[in-house]
Amino acid sequence: QVTLNESGPALIKPTQTLTLTCTFSGFSLTTTGVRVSWIRQPPGKALEWLARIDWDDDTFYSTSLKTRLTISKDASKNQVVLTMTNMDPVDTATYFCARGSGSSAFDYWGQGTLVTVSS
Amino acid sequence: SYVLTQPPSESVAPGETARITCGGNNIESQTVHWYQQKPGQAPLLVIYYDSDRPSGIPERFSGSNSGNTATLTISRVEVGDEADYYCQVWDSSSDHYVFGTGTKVTVL
Repeated sequence: QVTLNESGPALIKPTQTLTLTCTFSGFSLTTTGVRVSWIRQPPGKALEWLARIDWDDDTFYSTSLKTRLTISKDASKNQVVLTMTNMDPVDTATYFCARGSGSSAFDYWGQGTLVTVSS
Repeated sequence: SYVLTQPPSESVAPGETARITCGGNNIESQTVHWYQQKPGQAPLLVIYYDSDRPSGIPERFSGSNSGNTATLTISRVEVGDEADYYCQVWDSSSDHYVFGTGTKVTVL
């Protein structure tokens, strides 16, 4: 059974760095073809892809946020970590992690974690 | 960057057919996936590879992709189908995942 769970602060101040952890089970990030992405959704708005990390440590980032994002993995702990620097109120959103399939679809998602940026 | 455009809303009566479009430049050359998202929940994959259904998704959900438009069709709509729907592609020219703007389906 594949599961993903996001964890991190619910509230963060402007200019601070956000660190989110995706802890997963039911698959391994050492298996060829496995990928994990972070996706966010501001309240009432559409989904926005942020970053991806692959089984072979390849990483991909949203062009618009690339300078602020870092994605990494600890395969032994079944975790993927996203850091986002210089947080702003417009970054208030629910942040999801999701497994990427070979078809380029996201076949399993975490429940999401709401992050509010406010002083 | 690649843009996917969806109508903001679609209203349909129970038992009727809902068709949700996703417009993109030469989208037929892309592989399109569709997600259903109910309030307070994570998105759920309902169509992948343009027209395939994951296990557990009813046959009422189908997809097609031609020209500049991909379409998600929901036949015999039920009240439980009321949700936001998003299309998505992997744009290999930019190494980006792209989501559509989303369509809110209301079952009258």
